[in-house]
Amino acid sequence: DIQMTQSPSSLSASVGDRVTITCRASQSISTYLNWFQQRPGKAPQLLIYSASSLQSGVPSRFSGSGSGTDFTLTISSLQPEDFATYYCQQSYNTPRTFGQGTKVEIK
Amino acid sequence: QVQLQQSGPGLVKPSQTLSLTCAISGDSVSSNSAAWNWIRQSPSRGLEWLGRTYYRSKWYNDYALSVKSRITINPDTSKNQFSLQLNSVTPEDTAVYYCARDTNFQYFHHWGQGTLVTVSS
Repeated sequence: DIQMTQSPSSLSASVGDRVTITCRASQSISTYLNWFQQRPGKAPQLLIYSASSLQSGVPSRFSGSGSGTDFTLTISSLQPEDFATYYCQQSYNTPRTFGQGTKVEIK
Repeated sequence: QVQLQQSGPGLVKPSQTLSLTCAISGDSVSSNSAAWNWIRQSPSRGLEWLGRTYYRSKWYNDYALSVKSRITINPDTSKNQFSLQLNSVTPEDTAVYYCARDTNFQYFHHWGQGTLVTVSS
């Protein structure tokens, strides 16, 4: 199975901050990498697919980059509704695997 | 707009079978561009993909090795839904279970609302 490792596991930030979350795959996955946001009690929501494509309806302050084994999710200016947990997920092969999550909290 | 509506019991006894259903609206379970997945989430295991069913001229299934001996995912074309059965459950199977549609094997675009299933006597 491909292991997905996110860092940090949690972070504290203020509204307006630039936030970066990284995700590393245990083997090359090209750009078969997706990012999700999950709020408490809700299902994950797709933000970014294929490493850098913004899902329709997602604000442009979210962006993704990377290929191979190293990927980044960036929130350019954190908004109050962005405080949530973020997950990366590989779609290179099965079993599909997820990172352990990064919780973004209010400073 | 695709919507997935989950149903099934929230409490299952150890050694029994967990059964959940995911009803699809806005798409067909027989779609040639979708796959229909079950994913669970628990504090100890995080988000864990369990398996999928999909139609590409015939029906296919893929399952996670961790549950392969206990899991069945079946499509029901007459009701446009798919189901999860997990046999011989233990408390370690306690989790929130989600159904999800993925597009062209690339990303989970649509999710059900989630069902908390507790395994307890």
